[in-house]
Amino acid sequence: EPEVTQTPSHQVTQMGQEVILRCVPISNHLYFYWYRQILGQKVEFLVSFYNNEISEKSEIFDDQFSVERPDGSNFTLKIRSTKLEDSAMYFCASSEAAGWGQPQHFGDGTRLSIL
Amino acid sequence: SQELEQSPQSLIVQEGKNLTINCTSSKTLYGLYWYKQKYGEGLIFLMMLQKGGEEKSHEKITAKLDEKKQQSSLHITASQPSHAGIYLCGAHTGTASKLTFGTGTRLQVTL
Repeated sequence: EPEVTQTPSHQVTQMGQEVILRCVPISNHLYFYWYRQILGQKVEFLVSFYNNEISEKSEIFDDQFSVERPDGSNFTLKIRSTKLEDSAMYFCASSEAAGWGQPQHFGDGTRLSIL
Repeated sequence: SQELEQSPQSLIVQEGKNLTINCTSSKTLYGLYWYKQKYGEGLIFLMMLQKGGEEKSHEKITAKLDEKKQQSSLHITASQPSHAGIYLCGAHTGTASKLTFGTGTRLQVTL
């Protein structure tokens, strides 16, 4: 069964450094998402991406964050200058279309630890 | 904004027992997704409910949507250790892309 793959599984970075999290969505999917889950808290939406544009972003997704689809298969999340509070599990997801009846399929996540 | 509350927060059941997890919305529910998360791993899509009164089953897991109560329930029959994990309900809130998730129910199945 096709799946969303994320790399790396664990990233440790010094505060203030840039970090790029990578995702390969399911190949026929057109909508891509990033979510995060701080330890012990809910899974929170960050951003959705369609047709090479951000279609929606949350308040969390400030100027320090950016997303890109650099080629036909990868989807990346960049954090420019990491803060301690960016430590979390980051999940990539994809779906064929958006809206009800279009389940989002998630990767196994990247655990980001900021020191 | 729409909130999804799950109950119970955690549950320990003996293998073979049945259990029910509830997800209650603060606003009208037009549909719901159920996911399972293994500890420290990603979310696995279980099923989606799109209409009030709809009921779906997959193996020993059954989910129902009660629009009037703004609630969905997930029922596991004859639980097994493989059912252990965190169950999350999710719904589109306001837009087609963003999913809002519930607080999660942590399930342990003892032998």
